[in-house]
Amino acid sequence: QVQLVESGGGLVKPGGSLRLSCAASGFTFSDYYMIWIRQAPGKGLEWVSYISNRGSTIYYADSVKGRFTISRDNAKNSLYLQMNSLRDEDTAVYYCARGDYGGTSAPGVWGQGTLVTVSS
Amino acid sequence: QAVVTQEPSLTVSPGGTVTLTCGSSTGTVTSGHYPYWFQQKPGQAPRTLIYDTSNKHSWTPAQFSASLLGGKAALTLSGAQPEDEAEYYCLLSYSGAWVFGGGTKLTVL
Repeated sequence: QVQLVESGGGLVKPGGSLRLSCAASGFTFSDYYMIWIRQAPGKGLEWVSYISNRGSTIYYADSVKGRFTISRDNAKNSLYLQMNSLRDEDTAVYYCARGDYGGTSAPGVWGQGTLVTVSS
Repeated sequence: QAVVTQEPSLTVSPGGTVTLTCGSSTGTVTSGHYPYWFQQKPGQAPRTLIYDTSNKHSWTPAQFSASLLGGKAALTLSGAQPEDEAEYYCLLSYSGAWVFGGGTKLTVL
């Protein structure tokens, strides 16, 4: 079955960096857009970034543009999010999601999330 | 950036029917916004219930349906069950950018 497993979360100081990974299995990874979505503690969902199946189309929310970089390795069935210049407000659970169907950047299947805490 | 609005909270009686709505600050919600609906229970990841306005996934419980209603996207729960108590989020597309609504906390009581 489709499975998405995030890793790489943890505690980091403001201004620091962190790299999240998402290991995918159970589907043809290179056929789907992949997405990062986050949820601050007790808050709603916020779109962060998506990347097309071949990596040619990338989108970032304004709140992370210039600081976060999304990438993927189709040979390793893996999605990444490099997060630099982290701020307190980046504290959240970060979810990896697969595009709902081929060619869409809307989330269909979600991982369980990884917690990123930015605090001094 | 557009703002997507949802009722902050709603209550439904067991067995009852409730409609959650999803509006856009830019005007009428259409099928061109490709409305999505998600369910999130406490401590769990969200789950996709509805895609492209009204389409269900294989895992979508039968009591959920969705449509466009009065210029908004709408999610209707018919025959509410205790396990339907959750936070519900909608998602709209704006020319490739996606915006979540603030969520509706649904209580079954």
